[in-house]
Amino acid sequence: QVQLQESGPGLVKPSETLSLTCTVSGDSMVDNYWTWIRQPPGKGLEWIGYISYSGGATYNPSLRSRLTLSLDMSKKQFFLKVTSVTAADAALYYCARGWGNTQGTWFDPWGQGTLVTVSS
Amino acid sequence: QSVLTQPPSVSGAPGQRVTISCTGSDSNIGAGYDVHWYQQLPGTAPKLVIYGNTNRPSGVPDRFSGSKSGTSASLAITGLQAEDEADYYCQSYDRRSGSNVFGPGTKVTVL
Repeated sequence: QVQLQESGPGLVKPSETLSLTCTVSGDSMVDNYWTWIRQPPGKGLEWIGYISYSGGATYNPSLRSRLTLSLDMSKKQFFLKVTSVTAADAALYYCARGWGNTQGTWFDPWGQGTLVTVSS
Repeated sequence: QSVLTQPPSVSGAPGQRVTISCTGSDSNIGAGYDVHWYQQLPGTAPKLVIYGNTNRPSGVPDRFSGSKSGTSASLAITGLQAEDEADYYCQSYDRRSGSNVFGPGTKVTVL
């Protein structure tokens, strides 16, 4: 069964770019939406965006101007970049596999999450 | 401020039934978009417990059930167990914002 693992720097300076990688194991990356979701400490969940296996990305409109999603099927990895980070971007970042139909998308499974702190 | 609303907390004794509501609008749940539910145990990643309003993933106990009507949905847990103590989030799609959205979460406490 598929497993996902996030990786990347745990500390980012304000105004710099946050870059994270999610590595997929145990299954193909075809036919799903490869998703990023974040959770500020002690708060709720926020959907960031997803990228399909064909490379098309869909972003949360509130974050779109600062986001880039990409993937490398050969390495079974997908990537998140967030530019111009502020303290509001500090969170536990999760990657997940998205399943969708015309009535919407759900996320299963999730990675264990990686904590990103924003500080100079 | 989420476009989906949930009660902050619900509680019940072991063996009892609890329900968690998720209220939206004609821009999301009422527009026909499905509702999905996630369980987040303390210190762990969220886990899908209901998808497509009523469907249980393999491995999720049949104590968990979901329903949807109009602009709202509900998650019910019957035969409440200590291991069910967690935060529960509903999720859907909102066409006004063009985004997948989560509810604020409900903390379930087993008395």
